[in-house]
Amino acid sequence: NAGVTQTPKFQVLKTGQSMTLQCAQDMNHEYMSWYRQDPGMGLRLIHYSVGAGITDQGEVPNGYNVSRSTTEDFPLRLLSAAPSQTSVYFCASRSGSGYYGYTFGSGTRLTVV
Amino acid sequence: AQSVTQLDSHVSVSEGTPVLLRCNYSSSYSPSLFWYVQHPNKGLQLLLKYTSAATLVKGINGFEAEFKKSETSFHLTKPSAHMSDAAEYFCVVSEANQAGTALIFGKGTTLSVSS
Repeated sequence: NAGVTQTPKFQVLKTGQSMTLQCAQDMNHEYMSWYRQDPGMGLRLIHYSVGAGITDQGEVPNGYNVSRSTTEDFPLRLLSAAPSQTSVYFCASRSGSGYYGYTFGSGTRLTVV
Repeated sequence: AQSVTQLDSHVSVSEGTPVLLRCNYSSSYSPSLFWYVQHPNKGLQLLLKYTSAATLVKGINGFEAEFKKSETSFHLTKPSAHMSDAAEYFCVVSEANQAGTALIFGKGTTLSVSS
């Protein structure tokens, strides 16, 4: 099925560990972004990309890195996990040809202990 | 900068009664506005979108929203609630920046539906 695929769905990390959250889309979308969802906060933008090789910071980028080597993939890296990064992470993509709304992945629930 | 305020963090209705979820926005430009729904432990699903066409927007599952520029509002309504409508709802505005567009989310409204 076409869409945005996120892996893993669940992850527990120890403080200081690093990991990569994977995001892939098969719709040839130019724009991709990462959000984190925390209770009572809605979703906040971490990083976004407007095409392969181009990324930029969102509202809450600290502690996260991204890269966009292909159109399809947009991984999010946690460099040294902290308990404050416990959250649900969503990847989203949209076409660059017009604003038809973003398509969201099903999310990754991350717990840092 | 653009922002979104969802006026109620929690709304409770009985099945079969109308639903009203309120959203105000601030924007320096003509905004694109969206409502997304998130069922428990699920991802986000687009309910409807406004992109400067008709001010009354119809979405999926009987929901609709009216864009009122004079009131800077984009309230979500449904004539008759169903148990399956219980979920969290997000009002979202698009923010155009130099490199592209990003979504600005409200903090969400939890809709509870009782039988």
